Formats: sequence, structure tokens, C-alpha cells
Amino acid sequence: QPVLTQPPSASASLGASVTLTCTLSSGYGDYKVDWYQQRPGKGPRFVMRVGAGGIVGSKGDGIPDRFSVLGSGLNRFLTIKNIQEEDESDYHCGADHGSGSNFAWVFGGGTKLTVL
Amino acid sequence: QITLKESGPTLVKPTQTLTLTCTFSGFSLSTSGVGVGWIRQPPGKALEWLALTYWDDEKRYSASLKSRLTITKDTSKNRVVLTMTNMDPVDTATYYCARRFRYSSGWGGLDYWGQGNLVTVSS
Repeated sequence: QPVLTQPPSASASLGASVTLTCTLSSGYGDYKVDWYQQRPGKGPRFVMRVGAGGIVGSKGDGIPDRFSVLGSGLNRFLTIKNIQEEDESDYHCGADHGSGSNFAWVFGGGTKLTVL
Repeated sequence: QITLKESGPTLVKPTQTLTLTCTFSGFSLSTSGVGVGWIRQPPGKALEWLALTYWDDEKRYSASLKSRLTITKDTSKNRVVLTMTNMDPVDTATYYCARRFRYSSGWGGLDYWGQGNLVTVSS
């Protein structure tokens, strides 16, 4: 099953842009990854799914147009433009793998985004 | 409007069995292409997937926890129950339930989540 790697932290100034990265382990370059936002003290919120070709399906409910994704090689990126204070959150990536008895859902370690 | 809410104990003793209930609205687990799963998050740590049940009663479990987990659904009451046996302090975590849906483009991610139920394992 894939391993998802995320930098533990990122920061950006109010109104700036930031790109968060989720890296799949070798051999899993065709996998789709889901991005989740988790505000302090809250449950995760689905942002969107991204494959090698970009967004898959639709954004989650209420996700602003400022959020976009891109896929390249083993990397799945989440870009946030015009960062707002409300964007300060932990961002998790996750991916499902396999079928039947070898099915698994794996998550990265999460990136804590600080808005300066 | 789709909502999910976890309920259950906030404190369990080591070796006890944990039972958590996910009560949802806005969708039905009798509809083709719907699943509900459980995910947990120890304080300050990453998310960990536990189990999934689908509309057709197919179930999937985390390989590392499979021997301790049972997931069941009650379609008539819009509920999914997770039991975890032989609880240990390392199982202290917030437990979330979430929906999975199959769109026309294929299966999606976990698109709606509950607010979570913090479970502490301590004697």
C-alpha cells in the first residue's frame, strides 16, 4: 500500500498563496489523493480529490474557489490563494488502496498551516 | 443536508470493549454506492482508518486492527456501530465516522464527517 508523506508545517502571510504537498511512495504515481481540512478542535472536512491529471469529481461543500489542486508524478498539490485567517488548519491527505481483503485507507501525517 | 454524529463513552477501562454509534441523516445506507466508515485520531497525531461498511453489507477492516473490530449497520435506523475489543491506553483518540459515496465518475473520498467522539482509555 502507498505511503503518503507531508511536511509537518507550512506558513503563509494573510492574502498570499501557499502550496501544500502530499507525496506518494514510489510506484503509486497513478493514485488519487483526497485533501482534508481540519480546523482547530473540529473534525476533518473534505476539500477535493486529485489525481495525476488534476481534480477528480467536485470540491467539498463550501470549499472556496481559492482552493485548487494539481497532480504531478508522485506529488499531489493543494494550493490556497488569497489566504484568509480561517484557512489556518491542519491539512491531511489520504488515499484508498486495493480491494477486498487487502483494502486499506492510508493518511499522511498532516501539515499544520499557520497564517501569519 | 448530510450530517453524521458519533456517540458513545468518553472513558473506558483497559481490556473493556468500546461501542460507538454513528447516526446519520441526509442519505441512506440502503442506496447503491454508499458507505460509512470509522477513522480515529490520537491527540496531536495523524488520522488512522479503522473500518468501512457498504450498502451491500460488504465490510473492510484495517489489517492491523481487524481482530479487534466489528462494524455493523442498521439501515432502518440510519446507524452504523463500531465495536473495538480489548481497549488499551494507546487507543485513546477521537473517533470519527464519515461517508463514502460512488459518483458517476467513480468512488470518491470521505466526503462528510462527524464532529468526533473523544475516547480516553484509562483505569
